[in-house]
Amino acid sequence: DQQVKQNSPSLSVQEGRISILNCDYTNSMFDYFLWYKKYPAEGPTFLISISSIKDKNEDGRFTVFLNKSAKHLSLHIVPSQPGDSAVYFCAASSYGGSQGNLIFGKGTKLSVKP
Amino acid sequence: GAVVSQHPSRVICKSGTSVKIECRSLDFQATTMFWYRQFPKQSLMLMATSNEGSKATYEQGVEKDKFLINHASLTLSTLTVTSAHPEDSSFYICSGVGPQWTQYFGPGTRLLVL
Repeated sequence: DQQVKQNSPSLSVQEGRISILNCDYTNSMFDYFLWYKKYPAEGPTFLISISSIKDKNEDGRFTVFLNKSAKHLSLHIVPSQPGDSAVYFCAASSYGGSQGNLIFGKGTKLSVKP
Repeated sequence: GAVVSQHPSRVICKSGTSVKIECRSLDFQATTMFWYRQFPKQSLMLMATSNEGSKATYEQGVEKDKFLINHASLTLSTLTVTSAHPEDSSFYICSGVGPQWTQYFGPGTRLLVL
């Protein structure tokens, strides 16, 4: 049973527009959420995180929103750029992200078209 | 950001042989390192948690005698796949807990067992 779900395997967006990547989770014990970006044959690169005590965290073009009641988080990229094309993984932790499992979703492949 | 390296990046071996993968934190000390495995179109799955100076903790379903982990220093952890078989072919990724209690991932090692 998947505890972290990314229901869209792929997303295509025009350059300059907003990209919205969604993630749902089932475990109410998760208290820390992270987004990673991954290129083929490379390890994931940390993008942005959010603690369960917040509902929004922003870093440049990247914003993560957390809706605890819906057990849903999303990553917004504005404006989208061709270099953002990659697979994006949502991950969750019940240890503040520093120790223990990071439970990953299956990823969403984002394609940003020029 | 914190940098984690892995060596080798790609390895092909014959069935029955052993393969060692090194994971190094280059600019930070990692008391804890994690080893993940990713099969095609699947999530990254945690295999084991490696703590410097002590025995690794393995996730359910991961054979500790097959996947030997050694974390001899604060910057180096090794994963040895013993008597590798074709079903062990996968993408192996390590991570270290770095600044701001975030996991930083290595670039991964692609293992192909013939």
